Amino acid sequence: AQTVTQSQPEMSVQEAETVTLSCTYDTSESDYYLFWYKQPPSRQMILVIRQEAYKQQNATENRFSVNFQKAAKSFSLKISDSQLGDAAMYFCAYRLIGGSQGNLIFGKGTKLSVKP
Amino acid sequence: DTGVSQNPRHKITKRGQNVTFRCDPISEHNRLYWYRQTLGQGPEFLTYFQNEAQLEKSRLLSDRFSAERPKGSFSTLEIQRTEQGDSAMYLCASSATGGAPQETQYFGPGTRLLVL
Repeated sequence: AQTVTQSQPEMSVQEAETVTLSCTYDTSESDYYLFWYKQPPSRQMILVIRQEAYKQQNATENRFSVNFQKAAKSFSLKISDSQLGDAAMYFCAYRLIGGSQGNLIFGKGTKLSVKP
Repeated sequence: DTGVSQNPRHKITKRGQNVTFRCDPISEHNRLYWYRQTLGQGPEFLTYFQNEAQLEKSRLLSDRFSAERPKGSFSTLEIQRTEQGDSAMYLCASSATGGAPQETQYFGPGTRLLVL
């Protein structure tokens, strides 16, 4: 069974600084997607960034980038120039490509605080 | 382009009562997912529809839970004889098919259930 592990329950960063959130996963499959979702307090979950496992190039979205290490089964999220609005729970998620399985498998999340 | 909507946003009920939640996906999305999220945890998969067909159900979905998507548009999740352990946030997500961007799941705001 696939699992996703986020080893940092909480992280803190100073505004304008850079922070990296860790995620590891376990799977025997080779084709899958990985995601980072952000869930602000009392607000809905929104997609931050997506990575296809068959792509070697790391995904980037403005201030957000990932370090995808397929062999190590590691998928970290780097947030540059942190802003107060980045404060939220961040969830790493895995989804198998193909078959009948359509669901996301989530980690337990990392709570990010941003200090002004 | 409206996002995923869920109703009600909050529900308080007494143990033993039945409750029903509704999810309206993004209009062009043919896949619809239900997840449950308890405090301090990542969302856990409950069930998944492609059009009107329920393709997968988690073992978390006990006999007291039933989900429908009768016309392949909106979906309902019913919990019969609610228990205090059912208290959680129930999240709905939708996606299209056909590759990474289309298969990305977009989440609704959730329905927070409290069983007294």
